[in-house]
Amino acid sequence: AQTVTQSQPEMSVQEAETVTLSCTYDTSESDYYLFWYKQPPSRQMILVIRQEAYKQQNATENRFSVNFQKAAKSFSLKISDSQLGDAAMYFCAYNPRSGGSNYKLTFGKGTLLTVNP
Amino acid sequence: DAMVIQNPRYQVTQFGKPVTLSCSQTLNHNVMYWYQQKSSQAPKLLFHYYDKDFNNEADTPDNFQSRRPNTSFCFLDIRSPGLGDAAMYLCATSRGFSTDTQYFGPGTRLTVL
Repeated sequence: AQTVTQSQPEMSVQEAETVTLSCTYDTSESDYYLFWYKQPPSRQMILVIRQEAYKQQNATENRFSVNFQKAAKSFSLKISDSQLGDAAMYFCAYNPRSGGSNYKLTFGKGTLLTVNP
Repeated sequence: DAMVIQNPRYQVTQFGKPVTLSCSQTLNHNVMYWYQQKSSQAPKLLFHYYDKDFNNEADTPDNFQSRRPNTSFCFLDIRSPGLGDAAMYLCATSRGFSTDTQYFGPGTRLTVL
């Protein structure tokens, strides 16, 4: 079974600084997708960034980028120039490409990010 | 231009009194999911529909049922809510499985008195 581990229950960062959230996963699949979702307090969960395992290039979305290390099964999220609006719970998630009975999106337990002014 | 809408946003019910939560989508996605999320935890998948095909997670209690009368709407019925069912219930949609991003609604916060 696939597992996703976020080892940092909480993180904090100063506004305008950079922070990196860690995520590791375990799978026997060779092709899959990885996601970072953001869930602000009392607001809906939205996709931050998505990485396809067969692509070596790290995904980037504006101030958000990932460091995808396939051999190490590591998928960290870097937030540059942190803003107050980045404060949220961040979930790392995994989904195998093959689908079938393994279609389920597997979430980590989340990292609560605080941004200090 | 809301894409996944959940009603109500807050629901209070009494112990044992049936309750229905609603989800609708404007994305015309094939798959609709229901998740239960308790405080400071990851969402837990309860079940999903691919079109009209219903798939229940093995550990979803029988107390939870779902209906999908058409592509746009999906309902979560809790037949006899217990105190342990108090949670945020999230609806999500995706075009298909595995390769497709899931889009979440804002959730319904259920309180059981």
